Amino acid sequence: EAGVAQSPRYKIIEKRQSVAFWCNPISGHATLYWYQQILGQGPKLLIQFQNNGVVDDSQLPKDRFSAERLKGVDSTLKIQPAKLEDSAVYLCASSLVVGTGNNSPLHFGNGTRLTVT
Amino acid sequence: GENVEQHPSTLSVQEGDSAVIKCTYSDSASNYFPWYKQELGKRPQLIIDIRSNVGEKKDQRIAVTLNKTAKHFSLHITETQPEDSAVYFCAAGNTPLVFGKGTRLSVIA
Repeated sequence: EAGVAQSPRYKIIEKRQSVAFWCNPISGHATLYWYQQILGQGPKLLIQFQNNGVVDDSQLPKDRFSAERLKGVDSTLKIQPAKLEDSAVYLCASSLVVGTGNNSPLHFGNGTRLTVT
Repeated sequence: GENVEQHPSTLSVQEGDSAVIKCTYSDSASNYFPWYKQELGKRPQLIIDIRSNVGEKKDQRIAVTLNKTAKHFSLHITETQPEDSAVYFCAAGNTPLVFGKGTRLSVIA
């Protein structure tokens, strides 16, 4: 089974520039997540999609972050304009089923390490 | 919303000894509790998970216990080996999952 694919692996930008990350989930996984992992901390959910609909984006800084999942498969996460504090690893994850009492494990991609200078 | 506390933040053990990592959570509605292992520069990988209708689960040298009344769950690793050295994250929730801050485990040969 192919895993969650993410690109790029690394990205260095200057503050106020824009950046986009791409994710391709495991085939058949309806649920897709974007997590932000700051160095030394656990992953923090930014947004959760179920197919192509947003389930939870309560922690997404919507003034600068946006995400979409067209056609319910691939997803892109964009930051515009970037700030120094956005330096982190951006992890995409997918799962087969999400629902009360019926969670499936999250499978993570390798992440994109973003450095904002 | 859910809040997950994880302790300790760092843990060093001698090879062959046991390691225990503890997590507490705040939302009594949480019903899924996975543990992830993350090696340096790599993705978090699921090592074991437990659901709220189960009190304990074991997989070879790894076990997880859950006390729903006290809202805490623990990871137990027995007969630790150097390759167990990594950062371990607990998580709790239903949807979405909330992660703890991680425990850096070092197994000293």
